[in-house]
Amino acid sequence: LAKTTQPISMDSYEGQEVNITCSHNNIATNDYITWYQQFPSQGPRFIIQGYKTKVTNEVASLFIPADRKSSTLSLPRVSLSDTAVYYCLVGEVGGGNKLTFGTGTQLKVEL
Amino acid sequence: DAGVIQSPRHEVTEMGQEVTLRCKPISGHDYLFWYRQTMMRGLELLIYFNNNVPIDDSGMPEDRFSAKMPNASFSTLKIQPSEPRDSAVYFCASSLGGGGAPGETQYFGPGTRLLVL
Repeated sequence: LAKTTQPISMDSYEGQEVNITCSHNNIATNDYITWYQQFPSQGPRFIIQGYKTKVTNEVASLFIPADRKSSTLSLPRVSLSDTAVYYCLVGEVGGGNKLTFGTGTQLKVEL
Repeated sequence: DAGVIQSPRHEVTEMGQEVTLRCKPISGHDYLFWYRQTMMRGLELLIYFNNNVPIDDSGMPEDRFSAKMPNASFSTLKIQPSEPRDSAVYFCASSLGGGGAPGETQYFGPGTRLLVL
């Protein structure tokens, strides 16, 4: 299983762009990169997933360099409601492969 | 679909008592995961099932923990006897696949907050 490393915490202000980087140096060829978001007293929720280059959806973008040893979750123009813990995971294609959630990155957004 | 359903939402018990947590996965999902979350250790995978069969229970802390999935719509996590250090939030999640690739998103339940006194 590929291990991931993220910053423990980040602070930002409303309206700013936030970039959270995750390191996964031993990512395997078949691994995808997935980010989850967790609010207090709730279970994690899927945000975005990618394999290489860039992926964008309605809430975030995911940047993955060519060597895939890291990835960056980008949240454009954050608001107070984006205050949460963000987890980076890597997982293999196909079923039966468990994912490992690390301690995540606590993002705090202030006015 | 109502999503992943867990019960109870809160449980307070005394040390030594048996605790049973319940989970109903999303219909059609063939993977079910049990996680435990604490401030100290974060979110830990305890065990997961594929088509009702336990695949990997290496995360189960010790013999006091056991999990079953008698059918595709129900799973239990049991702690017997419970200890104060078992106090945590226990999440159940389900997915169509193993959770690592497109289409295999894990959907989490609201969790059960367990306090063992």
